[in-house]
Amino acid sequence: GAGVSQSPSNKVTEKGKDVELRCDPISGHTALYWYRQSLGQGLEFLIYFQGNSAPDKSGLPSDRFSAERTGGSVSTLTIQRTQQEDSAVYLCASSLMTGRPYGYTFGSGTRLTVV
Amino acid sequence: DQQVKQNSPSLSVQEGRISILNCDYTNSMFDYFLWYKKYPAEGPTFLISISSIKDKNEDGRFTVFLNKSAKHLSLHIVPSQPGDSAVYFCAASGGNAGNMLTFGGGTRLMVKP
Repeated sequence: GAGVSQSPSNKVTEKGKDVELRCDPISGHTALYWYRQSLGQGLEFLIYFQGNSAPDKSGLPSDRFSAERTGGSVSTLTIQRTQQEDSAVYLCASSLMTGRPYGYTFGSGTRLTVV
Repeated sequence: DQQVKQNSPSLSVQEGRISILNCDYTNSMFDYFLWYKKYPAEGPTFLISISSIKDKNEDGRFTVFLNKSAKHLSLHIVPSQPGDSAVYFCAASGGNAGNMLTFGGGTRLMVKP
């Protein structure tokens, strides 16, 4: 597609439930990134994919968080047993890895509210 | 430990005047810096970037200055327009294979008509 697409745009879930967030990157972009923005905070790095592999998972806050990417394209971020502190906007970005200068193209995000 | 800091959470400027947004970093491995603009309910969009081999990059009303010795960069917007009202994020990359960007906390710019 023309841009990075994320779904759902909004998600309200009960504490303790699992949620899946989806990211569809720009076609041909080999790198995919997940960030989150909690209320009043900056962008916090979660995980990065190069192709289907995730060389850096250092930002995942706990083992309740996992992510996968299939076919070098769509990625899903799964949060198990959601907690209220998981409430945030989850942003996905993709980029080409063909030298500088380059930057990310972000999706519009998924606003997750855990009640 | 925040490697990229934007110490001003908000800034208010009159239309037509200059807006100056500041950013400090601590990691000397950073060699590429970017500014992103974010409107509510939208993802951040790329605005302007600068490589560490330069000290200035200009694009229309937007200029980014880099002071490597001070580990400081700034974004100048002149003249400021009401449509520039948004949250501005400073980001840095370098020293990692994945082009991961480290973001500052953002500065909310309000341009008053």
